[in-house]
Amino acid sequence: QQQVKQSPQSLIVQKGGISIINCAYENTAFDYFPWYQQFPGKGPALLIAIRPDVSEKKEGRFTISFNKSAKQFSLHIMDSQPGDSATYFCAASSSGGGADGLTFGKGTHLIIQP
Amino acid sequence: DAGVTQSPTHLIKTRGQHVTLRCSPISGHKSVSWYQQVLGQGPQFIFQYYEKEERGRGNFPDRFSARQFPNYSSELNVNALLLGDSALYLCASSPPGLAETQYFGPGTRLLVL
Repeated sequence: QQQVKQSPQSLIVQKGGISIINCAYENTAFDYFPWYQQFPGKGPALLIAIRPDVSEKKEGRFTISFNKSAKQFSLHIMDSQPGDSATYFCAASSSGGGADGLTFGKGTHLIIQP
Repeated sequence: DAGVTQSPTHLIKTRGQHVTLRCSPISGHKSVSWYQQVLGQGPQFIFQYYEKEERGRGNFPDRFSARQFPNYSSELNVNALLLGDSALYLCASSPPGLAETQYFGPGTRLLVL
């Protein structure tokens, strides 16, 4: 059972544009939602994370929007640059010390065209 | 500060063999988690250890085991390797009190022939 559904699977955006990646979750016990960026041959790097008590969080060019009632959250990358080309994963976990680990989506392969 | 380190970077084994992967967490982090990432998929949770005790386990067979040492480093062991165990094995560490905030290492690429 896939508990976190991520879309699109791949995305091509022009330099300077806005990249938007969406995720939906099923488990209402989830209360921590991070996004990771992964380059080929590297481990995932934590980009930004949000908890359900806020609807939006912004760090630099990266913004998470969170809709608790719809059980959806999304990553927006403003002014997308070729260096942002990577695979992006959304994830979710429940409180309790993270003992159930992070549940990841299947990833979005993002290409920023110069 | 050094990030999470893992060794070896790459490993080739044959079916039925045993493998041990190693991980050193970020200094000051006491929690270590292990994940398996199959090509083209997101990481899947295997184990979480805190203060040398197993705190969580994902849906993996008993062939997978792990332990954490007094210096908070960790080993992942996989017995009776199958072709399907070929994957990138990732270790993540978490700061005290924030176990869900996980910082990943570069991973160990395991190929089972």
